[in-house]
Amino acid sequence: GEDVEQSLFLSVREGDSSVINCTYTDSSSTYLYWYKQEPGAGLQLLTYIFSNMDMKQDQRLTVLLNKKDKHLSLRIADTQTGDSAIYFCAERIRYGGSQGNLIFGKGTKLSVKP
Amino acid sequence: ETGVTQTPRHLVMGMTNKKSLKCEQHLGHNAMYWYKQSAKKPLELMFVYSLEERVENNSVPSRFSPECPNSSHLFLHLHTLQPEDSALYLCASSQDWPAGRQETQYFGPGTRLLVL
Repeated sequence: GEDVEQSLFLSVREGDSSVINCTYTDSSSTYLYWYKQEPGAGLQLLTYIFSNMDMKQDQRLTVLLNKKDKHLSLRIADTQTGDSAIYFCAERIRYGGSQGNLIFGKGTKLSVKP
Repeated sequence: ETGVTQTPRHLVMGMTNKKSLKCEQHLGHNAMYWYKQSAKKPLELMFVYSLEERVENNSVPSRFSPECPNSSHLFLHLHTLQPEDSALYLCASSQDWPAGRQETQYFGPGTRLLVL
């Protein structure tokens, strides 16, 4: 079945790098996404990666994709207190009745300590 | 981000009440979604509307009744809810459904619902 797994919590110190990991099950997924949810807000798209890529960098964000292991990670360089939020990994279903829908993980709560 | 708005932001209701959640998107999108976000659970897709027609209904109890009068507005009518229905209800939109290859969904801030 379709499932996206993430660890629930991550705590880092300000200025350090944060690495949030995710595993997914649909090997045919074409796009994988990272969303950020700040307290009291909806989900905001941070970045996405196409399945034929291994890495994508966007300013402080680096996404790594290991398609063989179905493992996705989000690295945030120089983490700031404003990065404290819940980060959701999502895969896009390619085939079947749910084609095009997104399957989300439970989210990783990132806490940044000053 | 004001592309997708939701009202009310917070709602407390009794199990016998009837209430409605409203979502409005200002992005010119053709598809709209309702999600339920409960603590420590993945986001659950409830309904999808494309061009005002319901295209997906993921085994949601009939006490939740969606309505899409036009491509900019989406409602979720609630009646005789249970305490376990307490959650954050998120609305989202995308240009089309199924979403195009590089498309994504844009989310509203959600309505925090508490059922007593």
